[in-house]
Amino acid sequence: KAGVTQTPRYLIKTRGQQVTLSCSPISGHRSVSWYQQTPGQGLQFLFEYFSETQRNKGNFPGRFSGRQFSNSRSEMNVSTLELGDSALYLCASSPRQGITEAFFGQGTRLTVV
Amino acid sequence: DAKTTQPTSMDCAEGRAANLPCNHSTISGNEYVYWYRQIHSQGPQYIIHGLKNNETNEMASLIITEDRKSSTLILPHATLRDTAVYYCIVRPTTISLGFYFGTGTSLTVIP
Repeated sequence: KAGVTQTPRYLIKTRGQQVTLSCSPISGHRSVSWYQQTPGQGLQFLFEYFSETQRNKGNFPGRFSGRQFSNSRSEMNVSTLELGDSALYLCASSPRQGITEAFFGQGTRLTVV
Repeated sequence: DAKTTQPTSMDCAEGRAANLPCNHSTISGNEYVYWYRQIHSQGPQYIIHGLKNNETNEMASLIITEDRKSSTLILPHATLRDTAVYYCIVRPTTISLGFYFGTGTSLTVIP
C-alpha cells in the first residue's frame, strides 16, 4: 500500500509569510504526527492528531498549528515565518495512538529567505 | 521519557554484523525501546521495537538486557545501503509526546 505522502517536497518562502504543508497518511492510519528537523536541533516533535483532534503538542510557539480532516489527512501551518523555521518538516502516520510504530514521509524542505 | 545514550559513530565492514548499542539506564517499566534509522535527507524508517523480550524481524534483531538498562540493535549482514543514522528511542506505553529522537549513531558500512 502507498506510504505517507507529503506535499510539496520543496518550498521557498519569504520572512513574514505563512505556509501550509500537507500530509496524507497511510490508508487506514488515524494518527498523524509532525516533526521539525534542523541541523542544530535534530528531530523535534511538533504535534500529534488523532480523530481530528490535537492530542499532544511539543514545545513550539503558537505560530505552528495544524489540523486533521475526517479522512485523516493533515495539514500544518506556520505563520509569520522566520529564518529559523527553515527545516525539513516530517509527517508520520500510525494506525492508532499508544504502542505503535510510526511511518514517516519523505518530508517537505522549507527554506525561508 | 527516559534518555538514551548512543555512540556518535561506528564503522562496520560490508557483510559483517553491525551491533549498535544503546544505554537507557533510567528506563521505566512501561517504556518500550524503539529503533529507527534515517538515510540522508529521507524520512526516518522504523526498524523494530520491544519491551523486554528479544525481538527479530526481517530487518534486524533487538536484544534487550534482563535489567532493561541497555539494548543492542543487530543488523546481521550489513550492506552499503545500511549506512545511516540509527536512533534508539524509549517511549512509554501510555500516550506520550511523540517520539523523541536524540543524536543517534552514524553507522558507516565500509566496502
